[in-house]
Amino acid sequence: DTGVSQDPRHKITKRGQNVTFRCDPISEHNRLYWYRQTLGQGPEFLTYFQNEAQLEKSRLLSDRFSAERPKGSFSTLEIQRTEQGDSAMYLCASSPSGLPTDTQYFGPGTRLTVL
Amino acid sequence: SQQGEEDPQALSIQEGENATMNCSYKTSINNLQWYRQNSGRGLVHLILIRSNEREKHSGRLRVTLDTSKKSSSLLITASRAADTASYFCATFFLPTNDYKLSFGAGTTVTVRA
Repeated sequence: DTGVSQDPRHKITKRGQNVTFRCDPISEHNRLYWYRQTLGQGPEFLTYFQNEAQLEKSRLLSDRFSAERPKGSFSTLEIQRTEQGDSAMYLCASSPSGLPTDTQYFGPGTRLTVL
Repeated sequence: SQQGEEDPQALSIQEGENATMNCSYKTSINNLQWYRQNSGRGLVHLILIRSNEREKHSGRLRVTLDTSKKSSSLLITASRAADTASYFCATFFLPTNDYKLSFGAGTTVTVRA
């Protein structure tokens, strides 16, 4: 069990550019979550997957954001036409199933800076 | 919007002292969880307390839950420098068919040597 990994750990981009982040969950975890965390705040839910199906998207996830989990394993989060307000830490988490008592295991996050 | 609110926002204590932080939430929950986040690292799950439980212990951690007041507390006893971190409470909303965590803004704890 190598834990949840995220790549890259840091990304600096210019406003208007597209960026893509990758998350590799713990193997055999069916649930995968994306959160966004800004400085001094707790993580805010963005979206989650049950296997390859994207089941819910937060209102925070504008149409510039898209997430996929094509084979029910790794996931990607893409932000198109980045804005300075997108600067944040993007966290990925996975859990064995969708039970509310499941522990969510978080990755180290990808820190995005939009200049 | 974030469901939980932690209090205080920041806490500074001497090594060996106890640290207590509180969390209030707004709607009915299935369970409440506490997470720790060290500087530059990911969130680590500490403890989960179900809505029908009132108190839970894990090592030096003690969590209480008062569903009538919609509040929880986390006590860290005999604090160590390694406990320096931000602590977040997170709740699962009810009623819902889908389960996702809603985090508070966190309490930043500094343990002085």
